[in-house]
Amino acid sequence: DIVMTQTPLSSPVTLGQPASISCRSSQSLVHSDGNTYLSWLQQRPGQPPRLLIYKISNRFSGVPDRFSGSGAGTDFTLEISRVEAEDVGVYYCMQTTQFPLTFGPGTKVDIK
Amino acid sequence: QVQLVQSGGEVKKPGASVKVSCKASGYTFTSHAINWVRQAPGQGLEWMGWINTYNGNTNYAQNFQGRVTMTTDTSTNTAYMELRSLRSDDTAVYYCARGENDYWGQGTLVTVSS
Repeated sequence: DIVMTQTPLSSPVTLGQPASISCRSSQSLVHSDGNTYLSWLQQRPGQPPRLLIYKISNRFSGVPDRFSGSGAGTDFTLEISRVEAEDVGVYYCMQTTQFPLTFGPGTKVDIK
Repeated sequence: QVQLVQSGGEVKKPGASVKVSCKASGYTFTSHAINWVRQAPGQGLEWMGWINTYNGNTNYAQNFQGRVTMTTDTSTNTAYMELRSLRSDDTAVYYCARGENDYWGQGTLVTVSS
C-alpha cells in the first residue's frame, strides 16, 4: 500500500498570511497513463470532505484561486496564498493512482 | 446539479449489520464509480472500497474484506454499502463519494453500541 505522510500536522496561521502543507508518498504516484493522481481535500468542521485540487495542480470548480497545488513524483505541496477565516479545517492529501486508495493523516489549519 | 444523498443515521448492536444507501442525481450514474470512505470520531479518512457502477466490479480495502459488500441499483441510481459483524470500533461517519472524489454525500453516522 502507498503510505501518505503530511507535514505539519497542525498549522496555526495569521489571517491574510500564506500557509503551506507538504505531502509525501512512499512511492511514485505516476500512473501508467502518465497522470499523477494526487488530490487535496478540505474538511471544514462538521462537514464532509470537499475536493480542492486534483492531479497535483488542477483546481476543482468553484475553488478560490488562493489555493494552489504543486509537486511531482512523491513530493507535493498545497499552498494557500492568503488564509481567510473560511479556510479553517483539516486538509488531506489523497492518492488515487492505485488501489487501495490512501489518505494522508490530515493537517489542521486554524487561526492564531 | 450533482448530488449524493445518503440515508439517515443508524444505531446498531455489536454483531449486527448495517446497510447505508447513497442516492445520486444530476449526472449519469453509470458513468462514474462510487467510493466509500469512513471517518471514526476525531480521526482521519479511511477508504473502504470502490464500485464500478457500470458493471458492478468492486475493489475492497483489505481491512474490510469479508465484512463489506458494495452494490448498486441502476434503476434508482443508488449505491449501497453493507457492513457486517459490526464492532464498537466501526462507529464512524460513512461517506460515499463519486469516483473522482469530486462530489461527496453528507455522511451517515453509524453508532455501534450494546
